Amino acid sequence: DQQVKQNSPSLSVQEGRISILNCDYTNSMFDYFLWYKKYPAEGPTFLISISSIKDKNEDGRFTVFLNKSAKHLSLHIVPSQPGDSAVYFCAASFFTGTASKLTFGTGTRLQVTL
Amino acid sequence: GAVVSQHPSWVICKSGTSVKIECRSLDFQATTMFWYRQFPKQSLMLMATSNEGSKATYEQGVEKDKFLINHASLTLSTLTVTSAHPEDSSFYICSAWQGRNYGYTFGSGTRLTVV
Repeated sequence: DQQVKQNSPSLSVQEGRISILNCDYTNSMFDYFLWYKKYPAEGPTFLISISSIKDKNEDGRFTVFLNKSAKHLSLHIVPSQPGDSAVYFCAASFFTGTASKLTFGTGTRLQVTL
Repeated sequence: GAVVSQHPSWVICKSGTSVKIECRSLDFQATTMFWYRQFPKQSLMLMATSNEGSKATYEQGVEKDKFLINHASLTLSTLTVTSAHPEDSSFYICSAWQGRNYGYTFGSGTRLTVV
């Protein structure tokens, strides 16, 4: 049961353009969402997060949008740079009282071309 | 920023042997750590939640007798893959929980190959 899905396994974008990565979730109890960037054989690197009480969070070139009614979030990268090429995972959590375990999406491989 | 050190970064072992993977929080105390496994081109799947001083909580389908987790101190959690088989070959990643305000820090991962 994949509670967090990223339906696009790959995305190719030209340098300087906008990259939009999408993520859908099914569990309405999730209240905190995160995006991670990952290179092969390395641990994920945190990019940006958003709480369910917000619909937008921005940090530099990265903006995350949350649509709770649609159970959908997206990551916008503007402008895209070649160094952004990696696999991006969205993740969701809900506060269990002692710790919040993450449920990861299936990942989207972003390639930024020159 | 917070650092989680994970060792070894890669290991090759013979089938039937055991392998220990260490995860240390270097500049903070982690009462809770998480262990994930990632197969090639797949998502990170949570294996277990490790709590300092108590038994780990395993996700459904994860054999607790095969994947032994010890969290004996606030800065160290270990995952031991016992009687490893080739199907255990995977990328194992730990993550330390710093509380709701600070979130998660991930280790660099361990590539386990069982031959």
